Amino acid sequence: RKEVEQDPGPFNVPEGATVAFNCTYSNSASQSFFWYRQDCRKEPKLLMSVYSSGNEDGRFTAQLNRASQYISLLIRDSKLSDSATYLCVGGSQGNLIFGKGTKLSVKP
Amino acid sequence: SQTIHQWPATLVQPVGSPLSLECTVEGTSNPNLYWYRQAAGRGLQLLFYSVGIGQISSEVPQNLSASRPQDRQFILSSKKLLLSDSGFYLCAWSGFTGLDPYEQYFGPGTRLTVT
Repeated sequence: RKEVEQDPGPFNVPEGATVAFNCTYSNSASQSFFWYRQDCRKEPKLLMSVYSSGNEDGRFTAQLNRASQYISLLIRDSKLSDSATYLCVGGSQGNLIFGKGTKLSVKP
Repeated sequence: SQTIHQWPATLVQPVGSPLSLECTVEGTSNPNLYWYRQAAGRGLQLLFYSVGIGQISSEVPQNLSASRPQDRQFILSSKKLLLSDSGFYLCAWSGFTGLDPYEQYFGPGTRLTVT
């Protein structure tokens, strides 16, 4: 069975903290990787794609290590509005496997 | 820009009743379409995906079915609901819009409670 595993959390951090989420995937044939953000009782929203070279979008940095089948997301200078569940995703068209999510709670 | 619609937003149905959930996409042609279910406290489970009209792949055996009668319309159905069908049903699309073709974009979802 092809899995994407991530720490469920919750991660409780103060505003301004740096927080890192990690994720592993079991299917070595996976071609695409993403991080999604899901607010309570809402649909998941694409946060960013993850590339082998690593990519950054403002305070968010994503890394992919294909050899270790490992994906990470780093959030710098956490804001209250970053509180959500972060879903790690890997796979290919028609077969994206979503992790169960890591819950982040940013406190004032 | 592309938008995806789902309805209804919430639904309460008795066990044994039929189900029909609809999803439509605007602003793109020939999208890949997906139905997911998210049960309480669990991850997203892919139920069906479609690469074109009338082309449906089922990922999980169950009492649900899907149809794609038009290019941008995807319907999830059941003849008789079970209690275990309760959950948050999400429709998503992906396609060649200049972005990564494997990125999926979700509709607002339908929260189904079977009583």
